Amino acid sequence: QVQLVQSGAEVKRPGSSVKVSCKTSGGGFRSFGFAWIRQAPGQGLEWMGRITPMFGSSNYAQKFQGRVTITADESTKTVHMELTSLKSDDTAVYYCARDSSNFNDPYGFYSYYWGQGTLVSVSS
Amino acid sequence: EIVLTQSPGTVSVSPGESATLSCRASESVSSSNFAWYQQKPGQAPRVLIHGASNRATDIPDRFSGSGSGTDFTLTISGLEPEDFAVYYCQQFGTSPFTFGPGTKVDFK
Repeated sequence: QVQLVQSGAEVKRPGSSVKVSCKTSGGGFRSFGFAWIRQAPGQGLEWMGRITPMFGSSNYAQKFQGRVTITADESTKTVHMELTSLKSDDTAVYYCARDSSNFNDPYGFYSYYWGQGTLVSVSS
Repeated sequence: EIVLTQSPGTVSVSPGESATLSCRASESVSSSNFAWYQQKPGQAPRVLIHGASNRATDIPDRFSGSGSGTDFTLTISGLEPEDFAVYYCQQFGTSPFTFGPGTKVDFK
C-alpha cells in the first residue's frame, strides 16, 4: 500500500531554514501531485504548495511565495519542502500528502495519503 | 484565493444524535473539486468525502455530503464515539487549494 514517511522533528533558530523530506513507497510517484500542508499548535490546516514530479514545477500559496521551495527526487521517490527565513510562527507540524489520482484526473487532486507529520519548532 | 468559512466553530452533540456542518466558499467551487476531512488529536487528517458527496473508501454511510456552488454541507447521522473530531472542508479546483478553519464536534 502507499506509504509516506517523513523526516524527523527539527528545532531551528529564527532566520534559519529547514528542509523536510517525504519518502514514498508502494504506489505511483511521478504522475501524482504531492502537497505540503502545515498545522500550527491548536490551529487549522494551511495549504502551502504542491508539486507533480513529472512536470517538475511547483505552485505555492501567495503567503509562502519566496520562502518555500518544494522539489521532487524521482530516483528516491522523495519530495522535499524547504522553508527559509524561519520565524516563531512557523512552528507547526508539516504534513506531506499525495493526491488520490494522477494528473489525468483533476477531480482526484484531494489529499488521500498523508505522511505522519514533522514537527518544526522555531525558537531562540 | 478562495476563502472557505465553516460554521459552527464547535458543535456539541450526544452519541446517536446527528450533526450538520456547513462550509461556505467566497466564490463558486465546482462540486467535483470539493472535499471533507476528519482529524483526530495527534493524527493526520483523513478524507471522508470527495466530489462534495462521494464517500471515500471505507468511510461509513453515516457520513454524507451535499451542496454546490458556494454552500456545502457534511451531515453525520447517528454519531459514534469515534466521530468526535475536527472536520475541515477543502476546495482543490483553484490554487491555492484552501482549507476551511474547521468545525469541532465534541460531546454535549
